[in-house]
Amino acid sequence: EDQVTQSPEALRLQEGESSSLNCSYTVSGLRGLFWYRQDPGKGPEFLFTLYSAGEEKEKERLKATLTKKESFLHITAPKPEDSATYLCAVQAIWETGSARQLTFGSGTQLTVLP
Amino acid sequence: NAGVTQTPKFQVLKTGQSMTLQCAQDMNHNSMYWYRQDPGMGLRLIYYSASEGTTDKGEVPNGYNVSRLNKREFSLRLESAAPSQTSVYFCASMRQGVTISNQPQHFGDGTRLSIL
Repeated sequence: EDQVTQSPEALRLQEGESSSLNCSYTVSGLRGLFWYRQDPGKGPEFLFTLYSAGEEKEKERLKATLTKKESFLHITAPKPEDSATYLCAVQAIWETGSARQLTFGSGTQLTVLP
Repeated sequence: NAGVTQTPKFQVLKTGQSMTLQCAQDMNHNSMYWYRQDPGMGLRLIYYSASEGTTDKGEVPNGYNVSRLNKREFSLRLESAAPSQTSVYFCASMRQGVTISNQPQHFGDGTRLSIL
């Protein structure tokens, strides 16, 4: 069974205080790992897809990295507008090679204080 | 560009009532999905449609039915609502077929459903 665990559940930062969110996963074969941002009352908004260990992707103050067991979302010098819940999801593959459905973690609620 | 549109945005039902949640996408995507999101839990897949004319059960299908009306529209029906179905429901779509793609899914803004 695919499992995704995100930590911490909640994180409060001062504006400019860099930190990292963790997404640990257990899958039999990883097709892709996805990061989403979710604002209150909204649906998840796609940020990144990572495919293989060692891969990194950046967007503004966010950088996502991937190892064989976990992914990190690094937030550099965050601003209040970065406050949101960040979701991680994995897509694994069946033994036949076809892709399974996404398995989501429960998210990290990030609050950046001015 | 609307993306994925869900209606209604809010709904309150009594136990035993039925209703249909509507979802439409204008991105010409092949695959569509219904999830529920509950506090402290990740998004859980209820049903999905890999392509027009097909539907399959996800992780938590009991108490729900779906219809892929055409390529654009995918509806979720609660035949006899129960308090355990109180949740936020999200519809999503993806460009390519699920078995060959790791394209990202695009989400609507959800329907907040309370069942008394």
